[in-house]
Amino acid sequence: DAGVTQSPTHLIKTRGQQVTLRCSPKSGHDTVSWYQQALGQGPQFIFQYYEEEERQRGNFPDRFSGHQFPNYSSELNVNALLLGDSALYLCASSLAGDYTGELFFGEGSRLTVL
Amino acid sequence: GENVEQHPSTLSVQEGDSAVIKCTYSDSASNYFPWYKQELGKRPQLIIDIRSNVGEKKDQRIAVTLNKTAKHFSLHITETQPEDSAVYFCAASLQGGYSTLTFGKGTMLLVSP
Repeated sequence: DAGVTQSPTHLIKTRGQQVTLRCSPKSGHDTVSWYQQALGQGPQFIFQYYEEEERQRGNFPDRFSGHQFPNYSSELNVNALLLGDSALYLCASSLAGDYTGELFFGEGSRLTVL
Repeated sequence: GENVEQHPSTLSVQEGDSAVIKCTYSDSASNYFPWYKQELGKRPQLIIDIRSNVGEKKDQRIAVTLNKTAKHFSLHITETQPEDSAVYFCAASLQGGYSTLTFGKGTMLLVSP
């Protein structure tokens, strides 16, 4: 049973560029959430996708956008990169009908903005 | 929105000692409280969780307690081992498939042999 997979694992960008990160949820899961984890901090919720729509959003600017595909995989896009966007980006999947609400995390994509 | 405070930020213990990490939350509607362990460069992994209808839960050397009135919950690790060294995060959310987690800032636990 494949867990949550993310790509790429590491990437380096320069200020002003754009980046796309990808996530495949755990088999059987239909909900994907994205979190940003800055160095030495806890993960912060960016947004959540279910049925190809953004269902909830955290306190992040519009430069952060996403998409969910019919196969439940998801992309996170960040435009006009800033130095402060350097972080580990974690994808987490869950099942909407699951009473437990347990999240399963991927290994993350580490973004460095120079 | 929800706010989770976690203490201490670092905790050093000797192997075999107990470790306690404490968290408080602000939203009285939160009813799901997981704890994650994150080793360096790895994903956060769920180690134990508790729901609001339970006051305490134990799994081998790990236990979690919840006080809903005071809005705080704690992680207890007994007989610590060097492999327990990691960063531990508490979190809070509304239980359910649409739940989103609000995390604390983490506690770096160092267990010395």
